[in-house]
Amino acid sequence: DTGVSQNPRHKITKRGQNVTFRCDPISEHNRLYWYRQTLGQGPEFLTYFQNEAQLEKSRLLSDRFSAERPKGSFSTLEIQRTEQGDSAMYLCASSFFLGQGNEKLFFGSGTQLSVL
Amino acid sequence: AQKITQTQPGMFVQEKEAVTLDCTYDTSDQSYGLFWYKQPSSGEMIFLIYQGSYDEQNATEGRYSLNFQKARKSANLVISASQLGDSAMYFCARPLLFGNEKLTFGTGTRLTIIP
Repeated sequence: DTGVSQNPRHKITKRGQNVTFRCDPISEHNRLYWYRQTLGQGPEFLTYFQNEAQLEKSRLLSDRFSAERPKGSFSTLEIQRTEQGDSAMYLCASSFFLGQGNEKLFFGSGTQLSVL
Repeated sequence: AQKITQTQPGMFVQEKEAVTLDCTYDTSDQSYGLFWYKQPSSGEMIFLIYQGSYDEQNATEGRYSLNFQKARKSANLVISASQLGDSAMYFCARPLLFGNEKLTFGTGTRLTIIP
């Protein structure tokens, strides 16, 4: 399967714990995005990378959140000191940005986080 | 704000019938694009169709087509000959800026196909 892969699919944690999610994009894609989706809502943009550079972070991304994309391949999203409000589906997407126009994003199946 | 509005929280449609999912948007841009994504219960967002504001014809992709009306700022998704596998959430989305990758999504429509 050459699609976007996310691990784990589900994560249950206690409030205050740290969690880390991984995303493996489609191999030739240079851009990688993280979105968050809460129940009954559409996904909301969190951050994105072009190769290994993190180009933008949403105001939704508090200081407890950090994302990396070493070597421009897979990416990790870490949440420190989790809070119940962090419970959501975390979606990763990738694209091949050609420098103009609108890109089609390919999404993974997400990581469902539940903070107890 | 560049808002996307989907006014139908849920729809029930008989199998093999056509269905139209509504989407309206705010914009002051001259150039923009609109996407539709499908999200089945597995969680993955699946790209369905894209329409650019300067495209002269409505986009079509197999059984999916866009009824794009710029003056009304609407980009409704039409699914012809619906199938049971079409049951899913459907999201309309647009980039905040043309050529920009940050998508803003509507709240979605849950489509259920009845056999």
